[in-house]
Amino acid sequence: GENVEQHPSTLSVQEGDSAVIKCTYSDSASNYFPWYKQELGKRPQLIIDIRSNVGEKKDQRIAVTLNKTAKHFSLHITETQPEDSAVYFCAAFGSNYKLTFGKGTLLTVNP
Amino acid sequence: ETGVTQSPTHLIKTRGQQVTLRCSSQSGHNTVSWYQQALGQGPQFIFQYYREEENGRGNFPPRFSGLQFPNYSSELNVNALELDDSALYLCASSLEVRAGYGYTFGSGTRLTVV
Repeated sequence: GENVEQHPSTLSVQEGDSAVIKCTYSDSASNYFPWYKQELGKRPQLIIDIRSNVGEKKDQRIAVTLNKTAKHFSLHITETQPEDSAVYFCAAFGSNYKLTFGKGTLLTVNP
Repeated sequence: ETGVTQSPTHLIKTRGQQVTLRCSSQSGHNTVSWYQQALGQGPQFIFQYYREEENGRGNFPPRFSGLQFPNYSSELNVNALELDDSALYLCASSLEVRAGYGYTFGSGTRLTVV
């Protein structure tokens, strides 16, 4: 089955800096890659996603890149703000029609 | 406000007991997936229901079972509860079983087994 690895597990940045979180996946048939933000005690919230026929997608301060050949995708957050502090999860939707999640990255943005 | 609702929000059970968690899917969504999220971990796929039939199962024992009803709402049942079953249980509904986009998560049920 699909396996998704996510790094780093924790990331601390200064306000205004950029943050990058990376994920790799194993199922070459995976075709959809969402990123979720989860605040303490709350549900995962979709923040950006990318389909396999696209290499990059941007939404204001957030961007995602996908390298299908290498089977990895990354989340980029620019001009980080304290309210960006949360746990971020990557996921991949594979040939078994389910979302497989990474283990998460705890992002802390220090004022 | 999300269209997926879960109940109850919190639950405390004793080891060995049985529990039923409920999920109402977003209007028009015929697929419901259940996930278990242990503290500090990513959500783990339990199973998925599509038009009242189980349509895929993760690495969970048979004491985890489910149902989907004609209105596409769903239940997750766990028998013989163990301490390790303590987790946040998330339900997600989607419009199309073969597409990962459009997943809408509920707020979850926090289960504590003592």
